[in-house]
Amino acid sequence: DADVTQTPRNRITKTGKRIMLECSQTKGHDRMYWYRQDPGLGLRLIYYSFDVKDINKGEISDGYSVSRQAQAKFSLSLESAIPNQTALYFCATSDRLAGEVNEQFFGPGTRLTVL
Amino acid sequence: RKEVEQDPGPFNVPEGATVAFNCTYSNSASQSFFWYRQDCRKEPKLLMSVYSSGNEDGRFTAQLNRASQYISLLIRDSKLSDSATYLCVVYTGGFKTIFGAGTRLFVKA
Repeated sequence: DADVTQTPRNRITKTGKRIMLECSQTKGHDRMYWYRQDPGLGLRLIYYSFDVKDINKGEISDGYSVSRQAQAKFSLSLESAIPNQTALYFCATSDRLAGEVNEQFFGPGTRLTVL
Repeated sequence: RKEVEQDPGPFNVPEGATVAFNCTYSNSASQSFFWYRQDCRKEPKLLMSVYSSGNEDGRFTAQLNRASQYISLLIRDSKLSDSATYLCVVYTGGFKTIFGAGTRLFVKA
């Protein structure tokens, strides 16, 4: 079974709808991230969380919100979806190692289309 | 200017060829460097970390030049299974990990 799972894997929705993307991990990592990927652009960080009670904005947080319900779960919400939020969304996790940057493990992605 | 820049390619090479990818970064205070591999419609996965002394993993060699703010990845004896997008990744401190847009590689039989 995959260590980082995302649901749904694909979603088509309409402008103005509220959408929630879910991420779960069994790796026991403290740190979780949400990214979006667009053609020709690198992954861009939306939000990140270093612990259950820790939520931080990334570089493109406008129009998004998150919830860290437990160490293993990190949800991303689009309060009122718009077409330019059409993208591939990835959840990722990493372990906490003092003084080091370590590998990020990604979920399989959610392909979101906003019409 | 993008913080991490890569040639988007695509690079089309025959099996057995040697291919090199380059990446430049703008923040001189960047701390750690990586290459990730992303297959079509799949998630990125760590290929290797990049150290100033250079490091090798089988057919793959990564180099870092801090003075020129430049990272490279060399793939020798290319295989069909090497076809993917290769992402240059730079950690600049705090939460900030910057992903390049990637270089696409197609290895042909």
